[in-house]
Amino acid sequence: EAQVTQNPRYLITVTGKKLTVTCSQNMNHEYMSWYRQDPGLGLRQIYYSMNVEVTDKGDVPEGYKVSRKEKRNFPLILESPSPNQTSLYFCASSLTTGGGTGELFFGEGSRLTVL
Amino acid sequence: GNSVTQMEGPVTLSEEAFLTINCTYTATGYPSLFWYVQYPGEGLQLLLKATKADDKGSNKGFEATYRKETTSFHLEKGSVQVSDSAVYFCALSRKGGKLIFGQGTELSVKP
Repeated sequence: EAQVTQNPRYLITVTGKKLTVTCSQNMNHEYMSWYRQDPGLGLRQIYYSMNVEVTDKGDVPEGYKVSRKEKRNFPLILESPSPNQTSLYFCASSLTTGGGTGELFFGEGSRLTVL
Repeated sequence: GNSVTQMEGPVTLSEEAFLTINCTYTATGYPSLFWYVQYPGEGLQLLLKATKADDKGSNKGFEATYRKETTSFHLEKGSVQVSDSAVYFCALSRKGGKLIFGQGTELSVKP
C-alpha cells in the first residue's frame, strides 16, 4: 500500500530535550516536505527536499533541522524543543515538486507537546 | 505575496443541504489551485484541483471552478452527507512547486 509513515504519532517532551520525528514514504517520490498545523494558521511549510541531499527552508524553519540521506526518508529534528513548537506535524511527499499538477501525499500526523 | 483566504468556520449544515466554502487567492502568475480534505485523525488528501483559468475540478460530488477574474476557487457540493464532515483546505502552488494553504474550514454535517 502506498503511504507516508510518520513516527511517533504522539509525543510529550520537555523543553530542550532533542527529538526526531521520522518520515518514510514507499512511493519512490523525489519531493518531500514537512508542515506544521496550528489553529487559525492552516499548514505552514517548515522544510522541503527536492531530492537526496537537497533540502531547503520553507516558511517557518527556525528551530528545526532536516536531512535527506535516502530517497525514502526525511526526518525532522528538533535540537532543543521549546513550547512554541507544540503543534501537529505532517510529512508529505510528491512525485514531482508538489505544485503544478503534482499531488501531495500526507502522513497521518505527529502531535507534539513540549512542556 | 502569495496567499490564500478561506471563509471562517465552523460551518454546520444539515444532511442534503447545499455547501459552499469560499476561497480567494492572491498570486503572481498563474498558479494551480487545489482543495484538500482532512478527515478526523487523518492527514490531508487531495480532493480536487484545477491547473488553469476556467478549469473545473470535481471529485466525490464536490466541484470548484478556477475564476481568474475574481481570483476565486469556491468549493461546492449539491447535497452533503454526514461523512463529508471534515476540515477543508484551499491551496495554491507557487513558483518552485511549493503549496500555500489557507487556514482551513471545518465542516460539520448533522443527520
